[in-house]
Amino acid sequence: QKEVEQDPGPLSVPEGAIVSLNCTYSNSAFQYFMWYRQYSRKGPELLMYTYSSGNKEDGRFTAQVDKSSKYISLFIRDSQPSDSATYLCAMSVGDSWGKLQFGAGTQVVVTP
Amino acid sequence: DTGVSQDPRHKITKRGQNVTFRCDPISEHNRLYWYRQTLGQGPEFLTYFQNEAQLEKSRLLSDRFSAERPKGSFSTLEIQRTEQGDSAMYLCASSLSVGRVHEQFFGPGTRLTVL
Repeated sequence: QKEVEQDPGPLSVPEGAIVSLNCTYSNSAFQYFMWYRQYSRKGPELLMYTYSSGNKEDGRFTAQVDKSSKYISLFIRDSQPSDSATYLCAMSVGDSWGKLQFGAGTQVVVTP
Repeated sequence: DTGVSQDPRHKITKRGQNVTFRCDPISEHNRLYWYRQTLGQGPEFLTYFQNEAQLEKSRLLSDRFSAERPKGSFSTLEIQRTEQGDSAMYLCASSLSVGRVHEQFFGPGTRLTVL
């Protein structure tokens, strides 16, 4: 069993809808939780990170972490066709990030 | 362009050949990471350096793989006696380990195809 599980999708939504993404994990030592976006043939780019449990909002993006359930979520409001990409959750142990443990990524398609 | 750069972007080789990839991190970033990503999967950690010291290696990094960062700047990843299972995207990332937030910036990757 993988340490980080993520539904690969694809997830297709109409423009303007809310996109809901999530990951589950098994290692209770994870402390930093990140969401990366990866466009085709590009490297991942960091969208948001959260330390421990709680919510974090940045523009149209909201990240949630529930450590008691080992569950993290990313919500994208007012989705745009430019949001079409693969979204990867990632986690790390300890204070210095170090190696990241990624989920498999969820492919999101936002249709005009 | 001041981002992470990788060379080559694509490499096609025959099984059994050796290949070497290069990564140039963002200037002044002291940490450099290598990941491997196969189709439909997220990146898998291979190894990372802080300055020139290799601090951690994944068990995925078999004896055929070797990584170096001789002067704490660019890094090379060599794969000896390539196998078809080595076909993947090899991603490099760099970060600055100051404070608590060490965002890793990724390069565009080197896509390896082993025939």
